Amino acid sequence: DQQVKQNSPSLSVQEGRISILNCDYTNSMFDYFLWYKKYPAEGPTFLISISSIKDKNEDGRFTVFLNKSAKHLSLHIVPSQPGDSAVYFCAASGVRNTDKLIFGTGTRLQVFP
Amino acid sequence: KAGVTQTPRYLIKTRGQQVTLSCSPISGHRSVSWYQQTPGQGLQFLFEYFSETQRNKGNFPGRFSGRQFSNSRSEMNVSTLELGDSALYLCASSTRQDNEQFFGPGTRLTVL
Repeated sequence: DQQVKQNSPSLSVQEGRISILNCDYTNSMFDYFLWYKKYPAEGPTFLISISSIKDKNEDGRFTVFLNKSAKHLSLHIVPSQPGDSAVYFCAASGVRNTDKLIFGTGTRLQVFP
Repeated sequence: KAGVTQTPRYLIKTRGQQVTLSCSPISGHRSVSWYQQTPGQGLQFLFEYFSETQRNKGNFPGRFSGRQFSNSRSEMNVSTLELGDSALYLCASSTRQDNEQFFGPGTRLTVL
């Protein structure tokens, strides 16, 4: 039972354009969401997070949007750069101060010149 | 500040053997979590340790076990290895004050 789903296994975007990565979840008890980026041969790196009390969080080129009624979140990268090419995982947590994260299966983003 | 370190980075074992993986968290981090990553499955939560106590456990068989030492270092053990245990095993540490976890590079386990 996949509680966090990333239905697009891959995405290809031209440099300078917007990249939109999507994530859906099924458990309404999730109240904290995170995005991680992973390069080959490295562990995932934290990108940005959002609490369920917010619907948007921005950090530089990265913005995460949360639609609780639709149980959907998205990560926007503007403008996309070739160095953004990596696998992006969304993750959810049901309780603060716990480190049990439920991850999606990842979306491979490729940014081409 | 040094990051999360995992040893060994690569490991090849045969079915039926057992394996122990090690994780050293970031200095000052008392929480260590373990995840298994396989193609198409994303990262699957194995367990979380905080102050030497297991706080959470994922849906893995009892062949998967772990422990945490007083210096917060953690080990994960898999007994009676199966072919399906081939995966990247990731360790993450945090202060547990928030949900941000810092991951190590992982141990790539191959079971033949």
